[in-house]
Amino acid sequence: EAGVTQFPSHSVIEKGQTVTLRCDPISGHDNLYWYRRVMGKEIKFLLHFVKESKQDESGMPNNRFLAERTGGTYSTLKVQPAELEDSGVYFCASSLGQANEKLFFGSGTQLSVL
Amino acid sequence: QKEVEQNSGPLSVPEGAIASLNCTYSDRGSQSFFWYRQYSGKSPELIMFIYSNGDKEDGRFTAQLNKASQYVSLLIRDSQPSDSATYLCAVNMGYSSASKIIFGSGTRLSIRP
Repeated sequence: EAGVTQFPSHSVIEKGQTVTLRCDPISGHDNLYWYRRVMGKEIKFLLHFVKESKQDESGMPNNRFLAERTGGTYSTLKVQPAELEDSGVYFCASSLGQANEKLFFGSGTQLSVL
Repeated sequence: QKEVEQNSGPLSVPEGAIASLNCTYSDRGSQSFFWYRQYSGKSPELIMFIYSNGDKEDGRFTAQLNKASQYVSLLIRDSQPSDSATYLCAVNMGYSSASKIIFGSGTRLSIRP
């Protein structure tokens, strides 16, 4: 069974550009999470989807970040326009269903904003 | 105060000894607690979870939870060099299940041969 996959694995962009990260959760997993780890800091919660609905987006830093999960399958996280402080590793995780909190993580996208 | 606090380490333990990793959390109402292992450059991997006060054992790993003290720990018995990694404590602080899972900054563990 395929795990959580993320694309791209690395992205280097200039300040002001747009980047879109993609996450494909494990098939059948209703819960999808986005997390971010900035250098030297803890993994920070960004948001949580249950199927196609945003359950909790309290961790999204500002309105330059837009997450979608159309159809309740894969998710995208768009950063527009990117700023220097957006650099870090963006992790996606999924879990099976309601009341299941065991997260399976993707390998992450390393984003560098220059 | 951070929501989930861990000593960043590094914690150095001789091979074969017991490694003890600690974590405290701020939300007294938290119900679910997790330990993830992350090798350098890799994604976090769930190794233990615990919901009730007391000990939970799985192979060489034991998770311990004390809700009154808001403290959760992970013991690794018979430590092996392959246990060298960063260990992340995570706590579900959401109002519903599978909601806001908050991570500590992790403890780097090094097992010396």
